[in-house]
Amino acid sequence: EDKVVQSPLSLVVHEGDTVTLNCSYEVTNFRSLLWYKQEKKAPTFLFMLTSSGIEKKSGRLSSILDKKELSSILNITATQTGDSAIYLCAVRNAGGTSYGKLTFGQGTILTVHP
Amino acid sequence: DAGVIQSPRHEVTEMGQEVTLRCKPISGHDYLFWYRQTMMRGLELLIYFNNNVPIDDSGMPEDRFSAKMPNASFSTLKIQPSEPRDSAVYFCASSWTGGVPEAFFGQGTRLTVV
Repeated sequence: EDKVVQSPLSLVVHEGDTVTLNCSYEVTNFRSLLWYKQEKKAPTFLFMLTSSGIEKKSGRLSSILDKKELSSILNITATQTGDSAIYLCAVRNAGGTSYGKLTFGQGTILTVHP
Repeated sequence: DAGVIQSPRHEVTEMGQEVTLRCKPISGHDYLFWYRQTMMRGLELLIYFNNNVPIDDSGMPEDRFSAKMPNASFSTLKIQPSEPRDSAVYFCASSWTGGVPEAFFGQGTRLTVV
């Protein structure tokens, strides 16, 4: 069974701080790892990672995948109150009867205080 | 495209009643996922379809839950009979094998069973 574990489950910081969110996974056939941000409604896509060591960046957010360690991190620098959200990590299965399966972790609740 | 469309947005029902949640995926997408989100358990995959065929329903909690996808543009998730512990936000998501494989989410249905 595919499994995704995120840590920490919650995090409270002040504006300007840098945060690192962690994601580890077990998947029978790895295709990709995805990060999503969820504010009050539906999750919205941030990044997709397929290869180890390649960093994806978008503004103050960046993410990197370590396929050897079966993990990924999401970094947010110079945090702002608008970064407050649930950050979700997911893995996409590439093989067999679970091809295409998309399994999410429990999420990290990030709260950024002014 | 209008994105993934779910209905209703909110549903309040009495224990024992039948509940039907509806989803219209993005046109051309060949994967459809049903998730349930609670604070305790995060975003759980209930069932997913590929080309209208159920691939993995191992996340469906029990026989009270059923899902169908009669055609490429419509899916339903039914709970019969409903129980208070079914209260959660139910998300539908769709994705396309031929493109970047991130899933796009609907706005969710908030179900409350009293």
